[in-house]
Amino acid sequence: GAVVSQHPSWVICKSGTSVKIECRSLDFQATTMFWYRQFPKQSLMLMATSNEGSKATYEQGVEKDKFLINHASLTLSTLTVTSAHPEDSSFYICSARASPGTGTEQYFGPGTRLTVT
Amino acid sequence: AQSVTQPDIHITVSEGASLELRCNYSYGATPYLFWYVQSPGQGLQLLLKYFSGDTLVQGIKGFEAEFKRSQSSFNLRKPSVHWSDAAEYFCAVGGLYSTFIFGSGTRLSVKP
Repeated sequence: GAVVSQHPSWVICKSGTSVKIECRSLDFQATTMFWYRQFPKQSLMLMATSNEGSKATYEQGVEKDKFLINHASLTLSTLTVTSAHPEDSSFYICSARASPGTGTEQYFGPGTRLTVT
Repeated sequence: AQSVTQPDIHITVSEGASLELRCNYSYGATPYLFWYVQSPGQGLQLLLKYFSGDTLVQGIKGFEAEFKRSQSSFNLRKPSVHWSDAAEYFCAVGGLYSTFIFGSGTRLSVKP
């Protein structure tokens, strides 16, 4: 149980285009989803927290107009990288929490590698 | 300030040897502690977690961790390392309703 999927697992796009990454909780309802960014050989950096049906909360320094997050349902959150540039190339990982106050356990997706050329 | 410190960036151990990965945290409230493992190009897999109760917790793949409140530590141990354990290991701390804070990670290499 508690499986989180991400799609696509790997995407290459041209500079200036937009890319959408999906994060789905397959066998549970996720009231809260998190988006992380990970640079090579570095730790995970939290980008934003999204709660179903409300606006995402972005961490300091993360451009909300560039990284659009939508959490339209209890099983799906999307991250759209708008007008992508090579510096946006990174490994993006989502996680989901089943419900608030249940020990904060997060279930992680397998990640999406974005390469912007 | 809330933080997680993994003082060892890279550790190499021989296959069959014991392993201990260190994790120290600073957290203002009751901490919920986690260890995750990440293989190259993959997401994170939960090894074990501590919420309350017995301070020695058992996880998957033969790992265990001990919560020591007095030392603000949550070190990960394994008595006999296998070559397949080579990966990146992350310690994380969170609180009720709050987000996770991750350590910088420790890369484990295993010598044959």
